[in-house]
Amino acid sequence: DAKTTQPPSMDCAEGRAANLPCNHSTISGNEYVYWYRQIHSQGPQYIIHGLKNNETNEMASLIITEDRKSSTLILPHATLRDTAVYYCIVRVINFGNEKLTFGTGTRLTIIP
Amino acid sequence: EAGVVQSPRYKIIEKKQPVAFWCNPISGHNTLYWYRQNLGQGPELLIRYENEEAVDDSQLPKDRFSAERLKGVDSTLKIQPAELGDSAVYLCASSTRTGADYGYTFGSGTRLTVV
Repeated sequence: DAKTTQPPSMDCAEGRAANLPCNHSTISGNEYVYWYRQIHSQGPQYIIHGLKNNETNEMASLIITEDRKSSTLILPHATLRDTAVYYCIVRVINFGNEKLTFGTGTRLTIIP
Repeated sequence: EAGVVQSPRYKIIEKKQPVAFWCNPISGHNTLYWYRQNLGQGPELLIRYENEEAVDDSQLPKDRFSAERLKGVDSTLKIQPAELGDSAVYLCASSTRTGADYGYTFGSGTRLTVV
C-alpha cells in the first residue's frame, strides 16, 4: 500500500471548516483513499473514502486532486468533539489482502 | 446494533505473567483483526482472521503471542510471558466482505501496562 504524509498537528477554531491535507504521491490507480479518526481512548472510527471523485457524507467531505497525488478531508463546521487524531490511508480494496496500514496521523485540536 | 466489544478495558500485570484479551466482533462480520497501538503511533496489524482461519499472522510475534477464533466468532489474543515492551493498546476490529466497503469497525481496545 502507498505511503501517506500528513502534518503532525493542526488547530482549528470551533465553527470553522477544518481542512486536513494528505499527500500520497505514489498512489496506484486501484488504491482508494480512506480517512479514519481516533478520539482519545477510543478505537479508530471510519469517516469517508474515495477513489477519484470527490465524496461527501454526513461527517465530512473528501476532495481528491485530479492527479490523485493528494487529498483533503474537510470537516465543514468543526466542533470540540472533532478533536482527534486523523489518519489518511491509501489501500487496495482486495479481498485477498484486507488490512489497513496506519501512519502517525494529524492531531487536530478544535479551539473554543 | 452493538459494536465491537473488547474486554478487559484496562489490564496491569507484572512482567513474565500471562495475559489474555477478548473480542466479540459485530454479528455477521466474518473478518476479524487484532492491532497493537504503541503510544503516539498508529495501530499496527498483528493478525487477521477470515472466519476461523488466520490468513495473515506475519506480524504476530509467535514466540510469545497466540490467538484463536473458535467457531469464527469471538477471538482471544494471548501473551505469555509478557514483557515490558508489550505495554500498548490492543485493538480488535471486524469487517464484512461486501461490494460497498464502508470500512472497518474498531473496538475501544484494551490498554495493557506491564510493570
